Amino acid sequence: GAVVSQHPSWVICKSGTSVKIECRSLDFQATTMFWYRQFPKQSLMLMATSNEGSKATYEQGVEKDKFLINHASLTLSTLTVTSAHPEDSSFYICSATGTTVYEQYFGPGTRLTVT
Amino acid sequence: KNQVEQSPQSLIILEGKNCTLQCNYTVSPFSNLRWYKQDTGRGPVSLTIMTFSENTKSNGRYTATLDADTKQSSLHITASQLSDSASYICVVSAGGTYKYIFGTGTRLKVLA
Repeated sequence: GAVVSQHPSWVICKSGTSVKIECRSLDFQATTMFWYRQFPKQSLMLMATSNEGSKATYEQGVEKDKFLINHASLTLSTLTVTSAHPEDSSFYICSATGTTVYEQYFGPGTRLTVT
Repeated sequence: KNQVEQSPQSLIILEGKNCTLQCNYTVSPFSNLRWYKQDTGRGPVSLTIMTFSENTKSNGRYTATLDADTKQSSLHITASQLSDSASYICVVSAGGTYKYIFGTGTRLKVLA
């Protein structure tokens, strides 16, 4: 089956620094990638949708200047959390859709802790 | 407003027992409905995907049903195992878009 990987799986950074999270589709071309964040005991919240070579579409309330998304190729999307603050600590999950809109494959998630 | 509601919020059962999780949605136009299993600290893993014309779909001990008329779905787990302890998320896709509406999930705990 289709595999989506994320790197790193967990990261700790200091307040004010930036951190980049990678999302890769390993065995298929991802026409669209999604970024979610999830707080403990809550469901996934969509942050943004990105198509390869295009600017990401951000959900209402998500700061595009703080959460920079780059979908440079059909197999790689990155999320950069700039000037991180403790309230940005969360579980970030990416997903990717291939040629069929039915199929959405999730990555294993990245746990971000900002101290 | 497009919404997906799941019940119960949490459930505790004994190993070997069956259970059924519910999902009600108001998404329109409907495209498909998926059930995912999410282990703590991991990304969701797809269990079943159903389109409008499908009433039931099985994946091992997991059986999902869909009633498009009443806009309800259920996920039945047979002979539960300790490894079934996880959150189960119902996701409905709106037709013609990449919009996926997530339910809040049901947290299942299976006890020995």
